Amino acid sequence: GENVEQHPSTLSVQEGDSAVIKCTYSDSASNYFPWYKQELGKGPQLIIDIRSNVGEKKDQRIAVTLNKTAKHFSLHITETQPEDSAVYFCAPLRTGTASKLTFGTGTRLQVTL
Amino acid sequence: DTGVSQDPRHKITKRGQNVTFRCDPISEHNRLYWYRQTLGQGPEFLTYFQNEAQLEKSRLLSDRFSAERPKGSFSTLEIQRTEQGDSAMYLCASSSLAGVPPEQYFGPGTRLTVT
Repeated sequence: GENVEQHPSTLSVQEGDSAVIKCTYSDSASNYFPWYKQELGKGPQLIIDIRSNVGEKKDQRIAVTLNKTAKHFSLHITETQPEDSAVYFCAPLRTGTASKLTFGTGTRLQVTL
Repeated sequence: DTGVSQDPRHKITKRGQNVTFRCDPISEHNRLYWYRQTLGQGPEFLTYFQNEAQLEKSRLLSDRFSAERPKGSFSTLEIQRTEQGDSAMYLCASSSLAGVPPEQYFGPGTRLTVT
């Protein structure tokens, strides 16, 4: 099965700074690369995704970059705000496998004032 | 609220007791998933349904676990003879069949504590 790792496991940044979280996966057939945000007491929520035919995707303050050769993709958050504080998970997927997600180990982001 | 709902939100039980959780998916979503999340870890897939058919079960789903989705709408997850290792957050998600892949929408989870 897919082996998924995230780094770092915890990240503390000051408000306004940028944050980068890296996800490394093992299944070279993965072709869909989402990032989820989980706030306290809630389930994960999809915030951005990218497909294997695209190298980068941006949505306002968040972006995802993909390096298929090296089998990793990264979440970039610019101009961080306190409401960005949460746990972030990657979940690379090979589409057609009933979409059962294999989540990474998680990264706890703390944005301090 | 038209999101995924789960009941109860918290459950404390003694070892050996049976527990049942309920998930109500977003209306008309064909697929329903169960995941388990232990403290400090990402959710792990347990099982999923397409309409009323249970199509896949993880090795994590021991014989003490059973899930149903009798009418293709809500689902229940039962754990028999609970053990302390069953303590976790149990998350439910639902999706339509549209999209490649279809987006999964998660509920708030049921936190189980086995004492």
